[in-house]
Amino acid sequence: EAAVTQSPRSKVAVTGGKVTLSCHQTNNHDYMYWYRQDTGHGLRLIHYSYVADSTEKGDIPDGYKASRPSQENFSLILELASLSQTAVYFCASRPGLSAETLYFGSGTRLTVL
Amino acid sequence: GDSVTQTEGQVTVSESKSLIINCTYSATSIGYPNLFWYVRYPGEGLQLLLKVITAGQKGSSRGFEATYNKEATSFHLQKASVQESDSAVYYCALASSSFSKLVFGQGTSLSVVP
Repeated sequence: EAAVTQSPRSKVAVTGGKVTLSCHQTNNHDYMYWYRQDTGHGLRLIHYSYVADSTEKGDIPDGYKASRPSQENFSLILELASLSQTAVYFCASRPGLSAETLYFGSGTRLTVL
Repeated sequence: GDSVTQTEGQVTVSESKSLIINCTYSATSIGYPNLFWYVRYPGEGLQLLLKVITAGQKGSSRGFEATYNKEATSFHLQKASVQESDSAVYYCALASSSFSKLVFGQGTSLSVVP
């Protein structure tokens, strides 16, 4: 079964600080995604990647950077955290375009104070 | 752009009663998108509940059903008799034209009470 692990599970950060959220998958999936969820909103795509050393912008990339140093790892970086980035963040992986099922991590709850 | 709408943010149902969670979609980039229901149980990540890729067909899993209605652009989730273990957040989603991403609704939190 696909395994996607996110760390940390929760984090409190200060406004203006740098935050890195990590995601690790163990199933050789090509695609990886970062979504955020806010209360009352659906999951919104921030960044995604289909190959190591390359990332693509999603629907709401502003204020976020992504890094895919290997097939297994995909990080989301907030260089200057802001209050509006308080949310739950989900990482997901997917074998390829022909496979539409996403495999999600359990989420990281980020609170920016 | 593509969008998915779930009108109920929270639903409370008594055990053994029937359930319907509404989902409508707008797919501007592709005629007949592939449609999905994902579920998130407490403390876990989202997982696929069911999917339907052909308009007019029905998908089913774990007692849940959803029919792809292209005329009404709807994909409502139904279950005849819910259990406490069904308490979770349910997300409707569609695959965008490029199939490189999924577009999600806001989720419906289901609480099943004894």
